[in-house]
Amino acid sequence: DTAVSQTPKYLVTQMGNDKSIKCEQNLGHDTMYWYKQDSKKFLKIMFSYNNKELIINETVPNRFSPKSPDKAHLNLHINSLELGDSAVYFCASSQTTGKGVTQYFGPGTRLLVL
Amino acid sequence: GDSVTQMEGPVTLSEEAFLTINCTYTATGYPSLFWYVQYPGEGLQLLLKATKADDKGSNKGFEATYRKETTSFHLEKGSVQVSDSAVYFCALTRSLNNNDMRFGAGTRLTVKP
Repeated sequence: DTAVSQTPKYLVTQMGNDKSIKCEQNLGHDTMYWYKQDSKKFLKIMFSYNNKELIINETVPNRFSPKSPDKAHLNLHINSLELGDSAVYFCASSQTTGKGVTQYFGPGTRLLVL
Repeated sequence: GDSVTQMEGPVTLSEEAFLTINCTYTATGYPSLFWYVQYPGEGLQLLLKATKADDKGSNKGFEATYRKETTSFHLEKGSVQVSDSAVYFCALTRSLNNNDMRFGAGTRLTVKP
């Protein structure tokens, strides 16, 4: 069984469109994350949710909005897509108890904005 | 702020060569340190970690030791294989906030037969 899953795996769309990426984890973790990986492989955290509360919101445009219907899901909605949004988006999850907690990553969603 | 610096790649080695990928960090307090590996077309997988000074993380022949005096967590493997070809990321989490994981820029390793 896949621990952290994302859909879709690939997403090709036009500038200006609105799209969503879904993420689900079956690990029983209480915290979920979204990361953006650019073409140079640089990873940057975008959001994290803990018990349905947003606890990190790095300097991302407000066109990006995370939505968490429950502890097992954290979806990423993107409005008015721009060329610069093309990247690989990774979802991750962890159980926030103590030091050295491991984050488990999904397989990624490759977004291409044309 | 807290950050991680990795040696720039790409790194190309022959099979059975010795591997070192340097990683240094800047952080307040006592962060936890991680190495993640990303195989082509896949997500990141935890390779190893260490949570306090002088701890050694190890997995699949890879090792890294948490050196507080040099603020380093260098990744080593004595004999690499073609299957080790991947991108390797050094990362840290702050001591009191495990939600904030900071990654290095990644180092691409290619191992040739």
